[in-house]
Amino acid sequence: DIQMTQSPSTLSASVGDRVTITCRASQSISSWLAWYQQKPGKAPKLLISKASSLESGVPSRFSGSESGTEFTLSISSLQPDDFATYYCQHYHTYPWTFGQGTKVEIK
Amino acid sequence: QVQLVQSGAEVKKSGASMRVSCKASGYTFTSHYMHWVRQAPGQGLEWMGIINPYGGSTYYTQKFQGRITMTADTSTSTVYMDLSSLTSEDTAVYYCARVLRPRGPDYWGQGTLVTVSS
Repeated sequence: DIQMTQSPSTLSASVGDRVTITCRASQSISSWLAWYQQKPGKAPKLLISKASSLESGVPSRFSGSESGTEFTLSISSLQPDDFATYYCQHYHTYPWTFGQGTKVEIK
Repeated sequence: QVQLVQSGAEVKKSGASMRVSCKASGYTFTSHYMHWVRQAPGQGLEWMGIINPYGGSTYYTQKFQGRITMTADTSTSTVYMDLSSLTSEDTAVYYCARVLRPRGPDYWGQGTLVTVSS
């Protein structure tokens, strides 16, 4: 099984900060990576597909990139609505697995 | 508009079985796979498996093999996820979500809380 190692587990930041979250896959996943935002009591919301393809309606301050088996979610200028938990998930081969999650907290 | 509407919360006894339904609307039901994910209280997301409603083929994570069954009813555009031999470790919110590569799982159900008590 492909393991996804996500870091950090918690991130404290202020409004306006640039934020970066990383996921590392244990082997090649050929860009088949999704990023989600989840708020308490809500279903995950898909932000990015195929490592870097921004979903319709998602603010452009969100971006995804990849370098080999390392994937990054960036938020260019953190907004109050962005305080949430973020997950990566590969969807390359079964089983699809999630990263452990990153909680973005107010500093 | 695309909607996935899941069945309501349930309380089950240890050893019992559960069934969660996920009714799809607003798109061609058989054009997208449906995956199931669960989230225990205060924990992360756990992928359980996936079903192709066109034909009914499934893949289940090894952790659940032997006690999980996913089925699809094309006449009602509904996917079902059955889980048997429940323990307290199965207390979680269960989600369905449709997926069609290259996009990731884009529309999700609202979640179904299943509480397993002894």
